[in-house]
Amino acid sequence: QVQLVQSGSELKKPGASVKVSCKASGYTFTSYAMNWVRQAPGQGLEWMGWINTNTGNPTYAQGFTGRFVFSLDTSVSTAYLQISSLKAEDTAVYYCARVNDYIWGSYDYWGQGTLVTVSS
Amino acid sequence: DIQLTQSPSFLSASVGDRVTITCRASQGISSYLAWYQQKPGKAPKLLIYAASTLQSGVPSRFSGSGSGTEFTLTISSLQPEDFATYYCQQLNSYPTFGQGTKLEIK
Repeated sequence: QVQLVQSGSELKKPGASVKVSCKASGYTFTSYAMNWVRQAPGQGLEWMGWINTNTGNPTYAQGFTGRFVFSLDTSVSTAYLQISSLKAEDTAVYYCARVNDYIWGSYDYWGQGTLVTVSS
Repeated sequence: DIQLTQSPSFLSASVGDRVTITCRASQGISSYLAWYQQKPGKAPKLLIYAASTLQSGVPSRFSGSGSGTEFTLTISSLQPEDFATYYCQQLNSYPTFGQGTKLEIK
């Protein structure tokens, strides 16, 4: 069965970096793009962007350029989100989500989420 | 960016009630709209895609309709497990989500 398993919660100080992983299983990793979605505490869902798992080409939403980097390791079917120069406002749950073009680009599988807490 | 506005933001209802949530887009998005359900501490779950197509495994009490700029999610008879927050998402261009509708038990 399809699964997206994310890395565990992180507690970081302002200015540090964090790398969140999303390991896919149960399907051909390079056949489906991967999106990243942020959810700040008590807030709604915010699309961060996506990465083409065939080419590795990332696309970032407005507000997620510069400090945010999407990457892949296709040998282990894993997508990564790296955030540098962390700020308190980066505190959120970060989700990876598989895009399924067969269902109009909807996100049919999601990781369980990774809580990143930025605090001094 | 295409903005999505959900109404209401909060909804109080009882088990067995029929409820409808509306999602309005700032410009036409054809039928490129999905609905998700999110329970506290959990990832969102896809309910409906292409505005009206039920995702596999989703109970038939959920239905979606609309096209262009106005869309609705209807739950025909609320069950205890349906109390959650619901989000619409447009996929016509760079994706955006509605602000969410929290459905609470009356």
